[in-house]
Amino acid sequence: DARVTQTPRHKVTEMGQEVTMRCQPILGHNTVFWYRQTMMQGLELLAYFRNRAPLDDSGMPKDRFSAEMPDATLATLKIQPSEPRDSAVYFCASGFGSGGGDTQYFGPGTRLTVL
Amino acid sequence: GENVEQHPSTLSVQEGDSAVIKCTYSDSASNYFPWYKQELGKGPQLIIDIRSNVGEKKDQRIAVTLNKTAKHFSLHITETQPEDSAVYFCAAKAAGNKLTFGGGTRVLVKP
Repeated sequence: DARVTQTPRHKVTEMGQEVTMRCQPILGHNTVFWYRQTMMQGLELLAYFRNRAPLDDSGMPKDRFSAEMPDATLATLKIQPSEPRDSAVYFCASGFGSGGGDTQYFGPGTRLTVL
Repeated sequence: GENVEQHPSTLSVQEGDSAVIKCTYSDSASNYFPWYKQELGKGPQLIIDIRSNVGEKKDQRIAVTLNKTAKHFSLHITETQPEDSAVYFCAAKAAGNKLTFGGGTRVLVKP
């Protein structure tokens, strides 16, 4: 049963610290998405990649957030420095995008708390 | 950009009754409409989806209908069971592979 995996599942940190979240997409998927979920804003798209290349990161605060795909099996989302308003659940999703390809499969999420 | 509105925000039904969640979208170019179910502490899970060339799709107790002219689509759950209790999200895809999500509906099925 292929699944998207995310680590860590929970992270508590202090304001100003660097946070790195990792995602392993489903093998064979070529599109990776990062979402943030909060009670106030719902599910927001932060960034997404196709074939490891960033296609859109317009939803991401550029000054402190960065997203990369070092290889096809790993996507990372970094926050430096972290702030209390970054507290949220961060989801990674993967899919196979090729024109009509649309389905996104979500990981279990990383719950981030910034004190 | 795309805007997706979802109603109601909460829905309480008696076990065995039907539940209906409605969504509207703004971008007439949207061509893919998935529905996700999210249980507490878990990521959203795809339960059914529909493309713009189809008006209705059914999978056991779940069905989705799409009205492209009116730009709205709905999720129907029949014979609800306690395990259907969760938050449900609709979404629409327009440009590229970007999904825009509705605000979610918290469904409670009372035994």
